[in-house]
Amino acid sequence: QLQLVESGGGVVRPGRSLRLSCAASGFVFRTYTMHWVRQAPGKGLEWLAFISDDSAKKYTADSVKGRFTISRDNSKNTLFLQMDTLKPEDTAVYYCARGGVTMLLPPLDIWGQGTVVTVSS
Amino acid sequence: DIQMTQSPSSVSASVGDRVTITCRSSQGIGTWLVWYQQKPGKAPKLLMYSASNLQGGVPSRFSGSGSGTDFTLTITSLQPEDFATYYCQQANTFPPTFGPGTKVDIK
Repeated sequence: QLQLVESGGGVVRPGRSLRLSCAASGFVFRTYTMHWVRQAPGKGLEWLAFISDDSAKKYTADSVKGRFTISRDNSKNTLFLQMDTLKPEDTAVYYCARGGVTMLLPPLDIWGQGTVVTVSS
Repeated sequence: DIQMTQSPSSVSASVGDRVTITCRSSQGIGTWLVWYQQKPGKAPKLLMYSASNLQGGVPSRFSGSGSGTDFTLTITSLQPEDFATYYCQQANTFPPTFGPGTKVDIK
């Protein structure tokens, strides 16, 4: 069964860090590109970051560039999002999603259930 | 960045109605357009890619069209399970921006 399961969300104070994980199963993780997308409460979807299958290529949204870092461990079938210097506006549900095998860009065909990050003092 | 707009922002419809959602990009993106469906409290679900290609398992009452800057998602004969928010996303260049969404609710 194709599955992505996020973890690592929680309540964190402004300025602190958090690392999200996304465990993949049911497909050959190392051959797929991966993305992170978030959704603030009551708002739309915001694309955050991309990583190629071999980690050679990475792209990050300007809104989080310099604070968020995407990475992956193909030996553990896991995607990560390191979030530093968190701000209240980073409060959202964070989704990991599977991209294509050769395509860098969407569509995103498999999504995790999301993990909630709340940044508040 | 490419800006995506959608209209209407919300639509009230009845079961059996035909619903059309429009998505526009601020610059030409060919047919690099993706549609997702999202229900409350759930992750988005891929409906369509390359503007008009139905994702496997998606009912044929969903169809997509368009190229360049103007795209449409049409749902013929709306079903109860179709009440949701629909997002378009351009897949032409990074960052792959989303539209603001169109909520389809029950009249």
